[in-house]
Amino acid sequence: DAKTTQPPSMDCAEGRAANLPCNHSTISGNEYVYWYRQIHSQGPQYIIHGLKNNETNEMASLIITEDRKSSTLILPHATLRDTAVYYCIVRAFYSSASKIIFGSGTRLSIRP
Amino acid sequence: DSGVTQTPKHLITATGQRVTLRCSPRSGDLSVYWYQQSLDQGLQFLIHYYNGEERAKGNILERFSAQQFPDLHSELNLSSLELGDSALYFCASSATLLGPPRAETQYFGPGTRLLVL
Repeated sequence: DAKTTQPPSMDCAEGRAANLPCNHSTISGNEYVYWYRQIHSQGPQYIIHGLKNNETNEMASLIITEDRKSSTLILPHATLRDTAVYYCIVRAFYSSASKIIFGSGTRLSIRP
Repeated sequence: DSGVTQTPKHLITATGQRVTLRCSPRSGDLSVYWYQQSLDQGLQFLIHYYNGEERAKGNILERFSAQQFPDLHSELNLSSLELGDSALYFCASSATLLGPPRAETQYFGPGTRLLVL
């Protein structure tokens, strides 16, 4: 699976959109971009994933650049409960490699 | 709530002891994964079971073993415990679909916090 690069920490004001960047310049054609978050020692929570089109669900939006070398996770109206470590992960979809390789992630702090 | 349950939530034991952690996957999920998260190592994949059979192994110590039962719940057994085994242990499950092998979305349980004294 391709390697990802994320800023170690970010902060955002409550009520504003939180935009979390991820660089995955070595991504290959069959690899998806996944986002998980972990709120203070709870189990990692799946947020969203995508291949090349932008995706949106009830939690967030995922914007993937046309060359697929980077992406941005958008939390449209951040709340204090969104304070967590956010992991950007690249995984080959058709793969027998079952493990998720978690990097260091981005520690997002939401300020009141 | 991911639908994955883990027991116990907390476990305190002494060095040299053996413990068993239990995981019940989401209804219908055939795959169970175990991960360890310690302060200095981050989240590390340990092992994957699919429908009762071991599928993949990661950084799992020989003192650790796992199994998945016919009802699809899984147990992670940790023996000869050392101080360094203190960590959070998470299981995750996914629905392994028919067709070519693929990396399905994994849903994580709340974890078991193990403290070895």
